[in-house]
Amino acid sequence: AQRVTQPEKLLSVFKGAPVELKCNYSYSGSPELFWYVQYSRQRLQLLLRHISRESIKGFTADLNTGETSFHLKKPFAQEEDSAMYYCALRPYGQNFVFGPGTRLSVLP
Amino acid sequence: SQTIHQWPATLVQPVGSPLSLECTVEGTSNPNLYWYRQAAGRGLQLLFYSVGIGQISSEVPQNLSASRPQDRQFILSSKKLLLSDSGFYLCAASGGRGNIQYFGAGTRLSVL
Repeated sequence: AQRVTQPEKLLSVFKGAPVELKCNYSYSGSPELFWYVQYSRQRLQLLLRHISRESIKGFTADLNTGETSFHLKKPFAQEEDSAMYYCALRPYGQNFVFGPGTRLSVLP
Repeated sequence: SQTIHQWPATLVQPVGSPLSLECTVEGTSNPNLYWYRQAAGRGLQLLFYSVGIGQISSEVPQNLSASRPQDRQFILSSKKLLLSDSGFYLCAASGGRGNIQYFGAGTRLSVL
């Protein structure tokens, strides 16, 4: 069965430090992968997806099919990055599978 | 992009009472619609999805039901709420190839 894991429930880093939010998936086909973010008192929204290969708010994520990973990275964290981050997999023709989420806290 | 309207934002209901949460979508026609339950540390659990009017698929057995009376309206219901139905419920929609989901603001349900 398809599955998404995010090993860290909570990740705390200092402002200006690099941050990496880990995501691993299990799926035998070609995956579509996404990162969604939920800031305090805001709705869940798309941050980025792997097919776009873009940087959003300084974040990037590279799909590594060998390691079945889609880690989210930012070289210099900002306080406004504090939020809940969800990694999501969309198997071909099927519904989304979301990970359990990682709460990022960027300390001043 | 799509806009998802979801209400009410919060709801407190006694055990055994009925439930009706409503979700409407703007900005697209014939969307795929979803009801999720969001629990801390457990991510988003898909409860129901719909690919068209009157078409509902249930992902998990539960005390809830869903209906889609109109193309852009999705309703989550229960005849008799249980304490375990308390939680945060999210409505989502995707259009076209369904490869991006847009979410509502959510409803926090407390069953007492």
